[in-house]
Amino acid sequence: LAKTTQPISMDSYEGQEVNITCSHNNIATNDYITWYQQFPSQGPRFIIQGYKTKVTNEVASLFIPADRKSSTLSLPRVSLSDTAVYYCLVGGIDDKIIFGKGTRLHILP
Amino acid sequence: DTAVSQTPKYLVTQMGNDKSIKCEQNLGHDTMYWYKQDSKKFLKIMFSYNNKELIINETVPNRFSPKSPDKAHLNLHINSLELGDSAVYFCASSRLGQRGEQYFGPGTRLTVT
Repeated sequence: LAKTTQPISMDSYEGQEVNITCSHNNIATNDYITWYQQFPSQGPRFIIQGYKTKVTNEVASLFIPADRKSSTLSLPRVSLSDTAVYYCLVGGIDDKIIFGKGTRLHILP
Repeated sequence: DTAVSQTPKYLVTQMGNDKSIKCEQNLGHDTMYWYKQDSKKFLKIMFSYNNKELIINETVPNRFSPKSPDKAHLNLHINSLELGDSAVYFCASSRLGQRGEQYFGPGTRLTVT
């Protein structure tokens, strides 16, 4: 399973676009990139998954450059309720998922 | 219409007791999991079941025994509880072959005194 590196914490303001970058230099050919969100006192929630280029859903966008050694989760126009821990995970579509420390995102008014 | 539910939400008990946590999913998924999130917020997988069959056991003490009566339920029984067992336990489920996309329950906060 590829190791991932992401910032420990980030602050942003309401209404801003937030980009969280994850490094995964030793990503394997069949690995996917997946992001989860965890609010305090709740279980993690699947946000988005991608393999290459760009994936967008109603919650976020995921940008993956051609070399796939990093990825960026983009949250458009954040609100206070987006304050959470965001986890970047890399692995095969059916690999067990291993959570790291994640990025603690704090949205300020 | 909760997708993955757990009971109880909170559990306070004394050392040495035996307790169970129940999990049910109504998503039609074939694979279910138990995770432990400790006080430092690290989330670690404990067990994984495919259609009632154990496929992952992450060196969890044998005081922990998962039981899957059917593919929609995965219960966790803990014998002889210890202080170090205090944590939040999450149940999750996924489609077969799609372990990257899991759906988590709300968690059970276990406190052992």
